[in-house]
Amino acid sequence: NAGVTQTPKFQVLKTGQSMTLQCAQDMNHNSMYWYRQDPGMGLRLIYYSASEGTTDKGEVPNGYNVSRLNKREFSLRLESAAPSQTSVYFCASRTGQINQPQHFGDGTRLSIL
Amino acid sequence: AQTVTQSQPEMSVQEAETVTLSCTYDTSESDYYLFWYKQPPSRQMILVIRQEAYKQQNATENRFSVNFQKAAKSFSLKISDSQLGDAAMYFCAYRSSVTGTASKLTFGTGTRLQVTL
Repeated sequence: NAGVTQTPKFQVLKTGQSMTLQCAQDMNHNSMYWYRQDPGMGLRLIYYSASEGTTDKGEVPNGYNVSRLNKREFSLRLESAAPSQTSVYFCASRTGQINQPQHFGDGTRLSIL
Repeated sequence: AQTVTQSQPEMSVQEAETVTLSCTYDTSESDYYLFWYKQPPSRQMILVIRQEAYKQQNATENRFSVNFQKAAKSFSLKISDSQLGDAAMYFCAYRSSVTGTASKLTFGTGTRLQVTL
């Protein structure tokens, strides 16, 4: 009963280092999303993939890239990490049916020194 | 663009009592979905309840119910018979029904609920 799995759960980086956050879902969902959560700001959408083979920018895409590797996997890459990217990152997925909600992973806490 | 506002950063309720968390939103769309998510200290995002805008009847899930006022663009969450396990951050979220929006969620800033004995 895995649902949405994110790896790693915690990571500390130095400024300028690169990092890829992994996300995989086993629910055969079409759409996948990456959010970041900062104190006092709720969750904000970074990138999303409406279906396999497509990706689009969300509200705060600068400094990030994504890859929808296949239907199951959607990765988020920080090419040159900055302290402003210190945050908790959530991956979510959703079936294509209109009335279905998003299902979230447990999050990755990323600290950039 | 849609916005979601939660004006109560923190709320407190005694065990077994009832509490209402507020949420307002701004949209020009007529059909959409509204959600309440719970985030306990474990950091998981757990769906509590959802409301479809075209349904006039307020959604209920056991001890959780909503007061959906479409004209006022208000979507409050009522928790009855509060339990210690209800202590968490609660997020209100909006999702458009418009084709091509990929069902993106817009979140409020959250309300931290404390449950006391």
